[in-house]
Amino acid sequence: GAVVSQHPSWVICKSGTSVKIECRSLDFQATTMFWYRQFPKQSLMLMATSNEGSKATYEQGVEKDKFLINHASLTLSTLTVTSAHPEDSSFYICSARGYEQYFGPGTRLTVT
Amino acid sequence: GDSVTQMEGPVTLSEEAFLTINCTYTATGYPSLFWYVQYPGEGLQLLLKATKADDKGSNKGFEATYRKETTSFHLEKGSVQVSDSAVYFCALNTRGYSTLTFGKGTMLLVSP
Repeated sequence: GAVVSQHPSWVICKSGTSVKIECRSLDFQATTMFWYRQFPKQSLMLMATSNEGSKATYEQGVEKDKFLINHASLTLSTLTVTSAHPEDSSFYICSARGYEQYFGPGTRLTVT
Repeated sequence: GDSVTQMEGPVTLSEEAFLTINCTYTATGYPSLFWYVQYPGEGLQLLLKATKADDKGSNKGFEATYRKETTSFHLEKGSVQVSDSAVYFCALNTRGYSTLTFGKGTMLLVSP
């Protein structure tokens, strides 16, 4: 089946720094990718929809200036958490739309 | 807005036991319903889906029937295996194929 990878799988950063997370569709092209955030014991919350070659569409309440999304190619979308703070610590999951929606394994972000 | 409610876990069963994970939903319009499974350290995988009332989705011995009258999509399996241990997410969409609303997930632990 289709495979989506994320890198890194986990990252620890200091408060105030920026962190970039990559989401790649390995064996198919995806014009649309999605970024989710998952808190412990809670459901996945859609943050934004990333469309290749255009601006991302953010869900209500998600700060677009804090969570920068770039979808520069048909196989790569990136999420950059700018000026990270401890409350940004979470599990971030991406997915890519092919025949169905395929999910990456997630990235654990810890901000100290 | 749309929402999905799942039974809280963990659900702990012995091998070959019968499994039911309850899922109910609230949605405008006519949603499609999904079950996703997340094995440890991996991304979410689509397990089964149903797109209209009375449809039954099935895969790998798992089944779920779209019940519009009770707004439910309960997941069942007649005989679970240790390898079924994972987190199961119920989800729906009403805004086209792309956007999914997830429940909080139910962890299933199957012991030999």
